[in-house]
Amino acid sequence: DTEVTQTPKHLVMGMTNKKSLKCEQHMGHRAMYWYKQKAKKPPELMFVYSYEKLSINESVPSRFSPECPNSSLLNLHLHALQPEDSALYLCASSQEGYGGGPMVGQETQYFGPGTRLLVL
Amino acid sequence: AQSVSQHNHHVILSEAASLELGCNYSYGGTVNLFWYVQYPGQHLQLLLKYFSGDPLVKGIKGFEAEFIKSKFSFNLRKPSVQWSDTAEYFCAVNAGNYGGATNKLIFGTGTLLAVQP
Repeated sequence: DTEVTQTPKHLVMGMTNKKSLKCEQHMGHRAMYWYKQKAKKPPELMFVYSYEKLSINESVPSRFSPECPNSSLLNLHLHALQPEDSALYLCASSQEGYGGGPMVGQETQYFGPGTRLLVL
Repeated sequence: AQSVSQHNHHVILSEAASLELGCNYSYGGTVNLFWYVQYPGQHLQLLLKYFSGDPLVKGIKGFEAEFIKSKFSFNLRKPSVQWSDTAEYFCAVNAGNYGGATNKLIFGTGTLLAVQP
């Protein structure tokens, strides 16, 4: 099973709302990622968790708050978003992440289908 | 800083035509190279990857890519495309983790391939 699932598939929220995106994998992977993909653009890395610890934060605004409750789950909490935050949010996972040492860059990242977010 | 360039933004081919999509990266050290594909309405999936060894790597669905270190290139090829190859193709580079938390996959801007039956 190489599946990464994401819920919800679509989300519409106002600028004052609080919502959360959820990502789940059951491949035993220890690294999980959040990417943001704007229309007609490539995915851009937001956060990396490795062994449930945040290892990379790509200077993402604090209105995005990641959480990794356990090795299978990754959440992205959203609060006070702006219309320009509307995008496809992708979750991915890989075997080891940072804990895998120099070989980590060779890992395949498995992507979920994404959550399409619209901020009004 | 690492970057990835894909010069072909849109490619239109007829079935059975040969395909070559360009990918160039800028990074002076050891890199790991990937091609991902995103079929319409589907999630990103790996086509092939290169770490070391034979610079010609074969992937799924008849795709292959050649790593040319001197040209900083990793072009994707397929001898004969099918209508089902219509998708967006992303080249990506990961410089890996050499003593720091730098496991970062950087994507090119993507190439939208349309194959006409």
